Amino acid sequence: KAGVTQTPRYLIKTRGQQVTLSCSPISGHRSVSWYQQTPGQGLQFLFEYFSETQRNKGNFPGRFSGRQFSNSRSEMNVSTLELGDSALYLCASSSSGGRETQYFGPGTRLLVL
Amino acid sequence: LAKTTQPISMDSYEGQEVNITCSHNNIATNDYITWYQQFPSQGPRFIIQGYKTKVTNEVASLFIPADRKSSTLSLPRVSLSDTAVYYCLVGDWDNYGQNFVFGPGTRLSVLP
Repeated sequence: KAGVTQTPRYLIKTRGQQVTLSCSPISGHRSVSWYQQTPGQGLQFLFEYFSETQRNKGNFPGRFSGRQFSNSRSEMNVSTLELGDSALYLCASSSSGGRETQYFGPGTRLLVL
Repeated sequence: LAKTTQPISMDSYEGQEVNITCSHNNIATNDYITWYQQFPSQGPRFIIQGYKTKVTNEVASLFIPADRKSSTLSLPRVSLSDTAVYYCLVGDWDNYGQNFVFGPGTRLSVLP
């Protein structure tokens, strides 16, 4: 099976812009989670989607949003970008959430100038 | 959410056994303990998961004492390719989905 794929792999934006990141989970996986990784804060959970519904949410401002499509693909959007949003954004999928192993993608590295 | 504490870094030599301990004093009854490995510019990779006592797979062992307030990841006979950051997660799943907290991770350096 193909692994989790994320596009684009690298992105440069300027403050105030918005960005959309995409994640394609492993075929058959219905749960998709998003994480932000920075040197200062480490890996932080953003939100999880299951069957097109946001099921859980971390402690991030409303500028961070996401959605999931009927084919389980997910997008994450960040509006009004700030310098502090520069990070590696990771997507992980699992079969149905629960006590299932999460499989991570390679991430999208976002640089905000 | 249960928070975790791990050593920031550890050094080891090839062929040695490495034990990384994670503290999670406020672990809840239903929480599971999961360890991930991450190489630079890659997403984390699942290593092992357990609830209590000992779990072993082809790459590692996980030791969990009876009080479950800590856990130890054991990597037998490490090689240079085991140089990575290791994360301990404690969490559970409820009607609202998964609820995990990633600790700061332990940067393991394996020396020749």
